[in-house]
Amino acid sequence: DAGVIQSPRHEVTEMGQEVTLRCKPISGHNSLFWYRQTMMRGLELLIYFNNNVPIDDSGMPEDRFSAKMPNASFSTLKIQPSEPRDSAVYFCASSAGDGQPQHFGDGTRLSIL
Amino acid sequence: GENVEQHPSTLSVQEGDSAVIKCTYSDSASNYFPWYKQELGKRPQLIIDIRSNVGEKKDQRIAVTLNKTAKHFSLHITETQPEDSAVYFCSSRSAGNKLTFGGGTRVLVKP
Repeated sequence: DAGVIQSPRHEVTEMGQEVTLRCKPISGHNSLFWYRQTMMRGLELLIYFNNNVPIDDSGMPEDRFSAKMPNASFSTLKIQPSEPRDSAVYFCASSAGDGQPQHFGDGTRLSIL
Repeated sequence: GENVEQHPSTLSVQEGDSAVIKCTYSDSASNYFPWYKQELGKRPQLIIDIRSNVGEKKDQRIAVTLNKTAKHFSLHITETQPEDSAVYFCSSRSAGNKLTFGGGTRVLVKP
């Protein structure tokens, strides 16, 4: 199994630009999670999907952030416009269902200049 | 919502000694408690988990205990080795499929 696959691994861009992060969950997993990790705030859940449907987006910081899951094998997290305070490591995780272990991807290290 | 507190924030132990990390949670409906290990620059990796119908679970040098009444759960690492050095996160699952994470414990095992 290839595990959760995220791209890009690193992204450096200037503030104001649009940023799109991508995630491919483990095949057969029906839950997908987007997390953000910073030194100050730790590991925060931004949004999660069950069967491609957004269930809880209460962690999404503001309207500049949006997430989609058009099918069971792909999800995107978009930031538009990006700001320096969005700099963080963004992790995607997937699980086989409620109460099942979440498996994390390698993350995207995002730097907004 | 759920709140998870984790202590200590840093822990330094001599190789071969034991390490204990403690967490508390607030939502009595929480029923699943996974622990993750994160090495520097890497992804969090699940190392062990426990469900609310079990009080203790062990996997080689790692054990977790759960006290539902007190809403406490703990990670115990015995015979620590340098490769145990990492940041450890506790978490709890309450509503739906959502995990809430503790703030992390940075463990340093000194040779």
